[in-house]
Amino acid sequence: GDSVTQMEGPVTLSEEAFLTINCTYTATGYPSLFWYVQYPGEGLQLLLKATKADDKGSNKGFEATYRKETTSFHLEKGSVQVSDSAVYFCALSDNFGNEKLTFGTGTRLTIIP
Amino acid sequence: DAGITQSPRHKVTETGTPVTLRCHQTENHRYMYWYRQDPGHGLRLIHYSYGVKDTDKGEVSDGYSVSRSKTEDFLLTLESATSSQTSVYFCAISGGQGRETQYFGPGTRLLVL
Repeated sequence: GDSVTQMEGPVTLSEEAFLTINCTYTATGYPSLFWYVQYPGEGLQLLLKATKADDKGSNKGFEATYRKETTSFHLEKGSVQVSDSAVYFCALSDNFGNEKLTFGTGTRLTIIP
Repeated sequence: DAGITQSPRHKVTETGTPVTLRCHQTENHRYMYWYRQDPGHGLRLIHYSYGVKDTDKGEVSDGYSVSRSKTEDFLLTLESATSSQTSVYFCAISGGQGRETQYFGPGTRLLVL
């Protein structure tokens, strides 16, 4: 079945550091890929998505590129801020009509001033 | 923000008692989902609905049932709560047109003693 493997956390970085959170997936067909973010005490919010190979999703300075050849969708940001502290989830949708999401286990990111 | 509310937001109950969680949406979206979030597991799909009275199981459906009698409401019932069902429960919705984003509610924190 479908699966998502993402970088184990927690990750702690200093403000303005470069961020990479790795995500790889296993799926049949051509899934859509997502990054969701969860701030403390809140639900999940969509951060960015990509629906086909080589697409780049971007939002709030975060980027991720859908790499079919390496089955990856790594999240990057050039300069993180304290406000980026949250839990980040990589997810895929198999696009077989029901749009179910399969999630990774989440990566907790803490940015220190 | 997508119009999704969950009730109650917090609940403490005892083992063996029935519990019903409610998800209400004002977006007229076709698909609705129930997930549970547990440390080390990310989010896992419990049940989902693809229309009024149309539901199907997710990967962790044992011990849970759902009902959807109106487009806007999706109920999750724990027939006889167990301590293993202590979790944070999230409802999500999507439009069902393919490759669409799921939008999440704020979550319900359930503690089964």
